[in-house]
Amino acid sequence: GIQVEQSPPDLILQEGANSTLRCNFSDSVNNLQWFHQNPWGQLINLFYIPSGTKQNGRLSATTVATERYSLLYISSSQTTDSGVYFCAVMEYGNKLVFGAGTILRVKS
Amino acid sequence: GAGVSQTPSNKVTEKGKYVELRCDPISGHTALYWYRQSLGQGPEFLIYFQGTGAADDSGLPNDRFFAVRPEGSVSTLKIQRTERGDSAVYLCASSVTAGLAETQYFGPGTRLLVL
Repeated sequence: GIQVEQSPPDLILQEGANSTLRCNFSDSVNNLQWFHQNPWGQLINLFYIPSGTKQNGRLSATTVATERYSLLYISSSQTTDSGVYFCAVMEYGNKLVFGAGTILRVKS
Repeated sequence: GAGVSQTPSNKVTEKGKYVELRCDPISGHTALYWYRQSLGQGPEFLIYFQGTGAADDSGLPNDRFFAVRPEGSVSTLKIQRTERGDSAVYLCASSVTAGLAETQYFGPGTRLLVL
């Protein structure tokens, strides 16, 4: 099956700093989603982005499908950005395959 | 509108017992998915429904796990003869349809602890 790798595994930022999270995947995909899992465990949809670039406030994402990677940019980080960020791609059968996540901690 | 809801939010049971976990999808969503998340890992697919039928149950770990969606809305994940290794967060998601381009929306999860 498809493999999804995320880097870095964990990241500590000072409030206000910028960061880039990376997701590599092993095969072509039609569906890629970024999620934020907050400290209470809720998975929150950030982007549906199988290709191209999208922006939502301080967050933006870019997927280069031909090179099999996606990037999530967080600018001017806030403590509320803390949590785990997951990239997930859709395999046959409509199942999402998740990476192991990037644990982000933003310090005030 | 209301998101995906799951009950109970937490469940503690003893090894060997039977448990049922419930998922209410977003109204109007025809596709429903179950995932399991172990500590420190990403969610892993268990099963998904399109309408009332299980379209893909390839992620169910063994025959102790079973899920139903009798009326095409609410789904119940059933675990028989629970084992300590079943302890995890069970997540439910739904999407408008089961298409490849659909966004899946997740519920808050049920945290299952088997003692």
